[in-house]
Amino acid sequence: DGGITQSPKYLFRKEGQNVTLSCEQNLNHDAMYWYRQDPGQGLRLIYYSQIVNDFQKGDIAEGYSVSREKKESFPLTVTSAQKNPTAFYLCAIGTEYSNQPQHFGDGTRLSIL
Amino acid sequence: AQTVTQSQPEMSVQEAETVTLSCTYDTSENNYYLFWYKQPPSRQMILVIRQEAYKQQNATENRFSVNFQKAAKSFSLKISDSQLGDTAMYFCAFMKHVLSGGSNYKLTFGKGTLLTVNP
Repeated sequence: DGGITQSPKYLFRKEGQNVTLSCEQNLNHDAMYWYRQDPGQGLRLIYYSQIVNDFQKGDIAEGYSVSREKKESFPLTVTSAQKNPTAFYLCAIGTEYSNQPQHFGDGTRLSIL
Repeated sequence: AQTVTQSQPEMSVQEAETVTLSCTYDTSENNYYLFWYKQPPSRQMILVIRQEAYKQQNATENRFSVNFQKAAKSFSLKISDSQLGDTAMYFCAFMKHVLSGGSNYKLTFGKGTLLTVNP
């Protein structure tokens, strides 16, 4: 989706390192979401933010942190406390329309070296 | 809390044939929305079809249609005239109705069904 940019597309982490995944949007939407996708697990919500300077934990927040200093940006940090970080990470923005509730970015694949 | 169950981890179908993917959900809400998303090998999430719970008529989008059974809490997706480009993961998703809109449109996803269309 042209309005949401996730970077990088592929990311590698060494054991014990923190890494930050970027999610930027130019659609001026308030709500942003981070999901984790594992094989056979579907999409699970990590964190979400409904407004600048505010965010809430999702279902699997342990080992992750976020910030929302600007409306356009919602970066996700995978900390060394996350013991199994290898996964595909999707960022989404919330729309104003219930019939198309979220637009998704193209994702970041995180792997452990 | 809502749960969404997709009981078929994998399915396959021959090109031009019809296939039905199953989805059941559990909720105490009366007003809600249901969605089917497609995730092709490119990993992009694409909205395929949506259904409002208050509508009795089943949604249809070209070759895609749903069978929505509210009492049974069932929401299956039928793909007619399957094409090779339909090969993808398909996710069923639930969203409860909220009054305030966009910021509260949280989705609950099933675990997905991998559909392979064979030539």
